[in-house]
Amino acid sequence: GENVEQHPSTLSVQEGDSAVIKCTYSDSASNYFPWYKQELGKRPQLIIDIRSNVGEKKDQRIAVTLNKTAKHFSLHITETQPEDSAVYFCAASRGSAGAASKLTFGTGTRLQVTL
Amino acid sequence: DAGVIQSPRHEVTEMGQEVTLRCKPISGHNSLFWYRQTMMRGLELLIYFNNNVPIDDSGMPEDRFSAKMPNASFSTLKIQPSEPRDSAVYFCASTPGPGGYEQYFGPGTRLTVT
Repeated sequence: GENVEQHPSTLSVQEGDSAVIKCTYSDSASNYFPWYKQELGKRPQLIIDIRSNVGEKKDQRIAVTLNKTAKHFSLHITETQPEDSAVYFCAASRGSAGAASKLTFGTGTRLQVTL
Repeated sequence: DAGVIQSPRHEVTEMGQEVTLRCKPISGHNSLFWYRQTMMRGLELLIYFNNNVPIDDSGMPEDRFSAKMPNASFSTLKIQPSEPRDSAVYFCASTPGPGGYEQYFGPGTRLTVT
């Protein structure tokens, strides 16, 4: 089955700096890679995702890059703000047109943005 | 749009009791996922359904756990008998299904087994 590794487990940055979280996956058939943000006591919420037919996707201060050859993908947050503090999870799945398939999650990165 | 609805939000029970968690997916979504989250094990997929049919239950920890989806708008996760190690937050998520990969999570049920 799929195995997703995520690094670092904790990350502390100063407000305004950039943060980068990296994930690797094992299943070369995986083609869908979402990132979720989970604030303390809340549900995971999708913040950005990428499919294997593109190498990069950007949404305001958040971007995701994908290297299919190396089987790794990364989340980049620029101009970090205190409200970015949360746990971030990467995930991978063999999305298909026919039916939903399961996500395999990384172990999470706790991001702390300090003033 | 009400989003994914879970009940109860909090459940405290004694070891050996039966626990039933409930989930209502987003209307029109035809795939439903049950997850368990703990500090030690992270976010684990327990089981998921497509069109009310269980597709993969390999994450169900043992026979004490069972899940059903009798119709497109309702699912239950049952633990019988419950044990202290079952204490966790249980999330339900739904996705539109074919062509729609995004999973939308419910608020979760925090289960404490004493």
